[in-house]
Amino acid sequence: GAVVSQHPSWVICKSGTSVKIECRSLDFQATTMFWYRQFPKQSLMLMATSNEGSKATYEQGVEKDKFLINHASLTLSTLTVTSAHPEDSSFYICSARPPGVKTNQPQHFGDGTRLSIL
Amino acid sequence: GESVGLHLPTLSVQEGDNSIINCAYSNSASDYFIWYKQESGKGPQFIIDIRSNMDKRQGQRVTVLLNKTVKHLSLQIAATQPGDSAVYFCAENRGDSGNTPLVFGKGTRLSVIA
Repeated sequence: GAVVSQHPSWVICKSGTSVKIECRSLDFQATTMFWYRQFPKQSLMLMATSNEGSKATYEQGVEKDKFLINHASLTLSTLTVTSAHPEDSSFYICSARPPGVKTNQPQHFGDGTRLSIL
Repeated sequence: GESVGLHLPTLSVQEGDNSIINCAYSNSASDYFIWYKQESGKGPQFIIDIRSNMDKRQGQRVTVLLNKTVKHLSLQIAATQPGDSAVYFCAENRGDSGNTPLVFGKGTRLSVIA
């Protein structure tokens, strides 16, 4: 089945550090990937849609200069949290949907990256 | 019983009983719905999906019901097991394109009492 992998699974770093999170589709190519953020005991909130070969589309209220997204290949999207601060601490999750002529395929999610900023 | 906390409602059921988790969606134009299960520290895991031209779909031990009139979705889990303890999210897809992101509901925590 479709597998999405995230790396790293857990990051602890000092305030002001930039952190890069990778999202890979392991057995399919994804022209579109999605980045979500989840705070404790809350639902997933969409941050941005990552488009291969073009600029990401950010949701309202998400700073594009703060959360840099690069989708350089059909199997890899990266999210870089620049100059991270404690309020950026959260669980970041990516997803992708296998392509195909059949619409309405479920998205598959990575196992998330827990980011803790001290 | 079911209780609503500050953010995440919780449903507690006895092992072996059936569980019903409910979800209200907002957009009448949504045409595809998915239930996900999320265990602690992990990403959401696909359980079952349903298209808007259906009102019921069954999987292994799970059934999804869709009522488009009142924009309501439910997930029924038969013979609930301890391994079913997790947070369950409904998600709606608002378009046919692969570029359309999912919109997630608030989620319900299912606790199975052994």
